Amino acid sequence: NAGVTQTPKFRVLKTGQSMTLLCAQDMNHEYMYWYRQDPGMGLRLIHYSVGEGTTAKGEVPDGYNVSRLKKQNFLLGLESAAPSQTSVYFCASSYSPTGAKYGYTFGSGTRLTVV
Amino acid sequence: KNEVEQSPQNLTAQEGEFITINCSYSVGISALHWLQQHPGGGIVSLFMLSSGKKKHGRLIATINIQEKHSSLHITASHPRDSAVYICASTGVRETSGSRLTFGEGTQLTVNP
Repeated sequence: NAGVTQTPKFRVLKTGQSMTLLCAQDMNHEYMYWYRQDPGMGLRLIHYSVGEGTTAKGEVPDGYNVSRLKKQNFLLGLESAAPSQTSVYFCASSYSPTGAKYGYTFGSGTRLTVV
Repeated sequence: KNEVEQSPQNLTAQEGEFITINCSYSVGISALHWLQQHPGGGIVSLFMLSSGKKKHGRLIATINIQEKHSSLHITASHPRDSAVYICASTGVRETSGSRLTFGEGTQLTVNP
């Protein structure tokens, strides 16, 4: 089925470790996004991309890096994980910048715990 | 900066009841989205609205642009409707990349 696939689904990291979350979409969407979801707060944008080879900072980019080397993939990296990065991470993609055409498609999330 | 507020934060209903979740936003928007998130699950897009009303099965979404308000209605609610419902807006000036502004979500529990 077409959609957004996130890997891994769960991960536990020790403080200071690094990891990469992978987001893959097969809908030929130009726009891709990484969000984090924390209790009591709405989803917050970490980084986004408006096309292959482009990335931009969102609302809470500190401590994260991203890359979009291929149109279908958007990678989120944590170079030195901190307990404050314990969260559920969602990737999303869209055909248009406002989601005005076909809306947004979200992945199933990655639950990350940093101990 | 657009603020999106939802009410109520938590809602418990009996099966068969008519449910309304409200969403208000502070500035002009290009689109309003309703999303659904099941426990431990991903996020599914239910509706995207820029005006008027949309219906899909037992779900109805409305928006009043002048009042900056949207509602999500569920008719004949069922326990499988239990989920978090999230309202999100896209600003008018977003051209180089979207900035969805999310509400905190409404936790709906429908008891049998």
